[in-house]
Amino acid sequence: DAKTTQPPSMDCAEGRAANLPCNHSTISGNEYVYWYRQIHSQGPQYIIHGLKNNETNEMASLIITEDRKSSTLILPHATLRDTAVYYCIARLNTGGFKTIFGAGTRLFVKA
Amino acid sequence: DADVTQTPRNRITKTGKRIMLECSQTKGHDRMYWYRQDPGLGLRLIYYSFDVKDINKGEISDGYSVSRQAQAKFSLSLESAIPNQTALYFCATSDWEQGLETQYFGPGTRLLVL
Repeated sequence: DAKTTQPPSMDCAEGRAANLPCNHSTISGNEYVYWYRQIHSQGPQYIIHGLKNNETNEMASLIITEDRKSSTLILPHATLRDTAVYYCIARLNTGGFKTIFGAGTRLFVKA
Repeated sequence: DADVTQTPRNRITKTGKRIMLECSQTKGHDRMYWYRQDPGLGLRLIYYSFDVKDINKGEISDGYSVSRQAQAKFSLSLESAIPNQTALYFCATSDWEQGLETQYFGPGTRLLVL
């Protein structure tokens, strides 16, 4: 799995978009970018994934740069309940989750 | 996710005691995992199992052992607990859904070793 780098923490005002960056400059051509979040010591929760194209689901949007060396998770209208640690992972879509979850980005959504 | 359960949810034990953390799943997944999380850090993989007859060490398996009793059950044992095994432990499963390997986590077991 490719190494990923994320800022340790970010703030966001409630109702505004939260943009969480992730650097994965050594990602290989067939590795996907996955995002998970962990709310206050609960088990991590899957958010979204992508390979090359930008993706959107009911939770978030994922923007992947053309060279795939970085990506941004966008929470379009952050709420207080989005306060969590967000993990970016680059991995193959096979072989099991032997991935190590790094420290992630701690997002604080403020009223 | 209620489909992955862990017992106990909280446990206090003493140094040198043997304890077992249990994980059960109703998702029918073959792949199961045990992770530990220390305060302010990410998750580290202890052991994983891709089917009932398959057991593999993760990054930090020393001091731990596992048992895959059935597809639905994966237990983690601390043979002789020590204080630096105080942590939050997560069990997880994974499988393919619509072409994506997706992972589901249990609620966690908070372990304190005195």
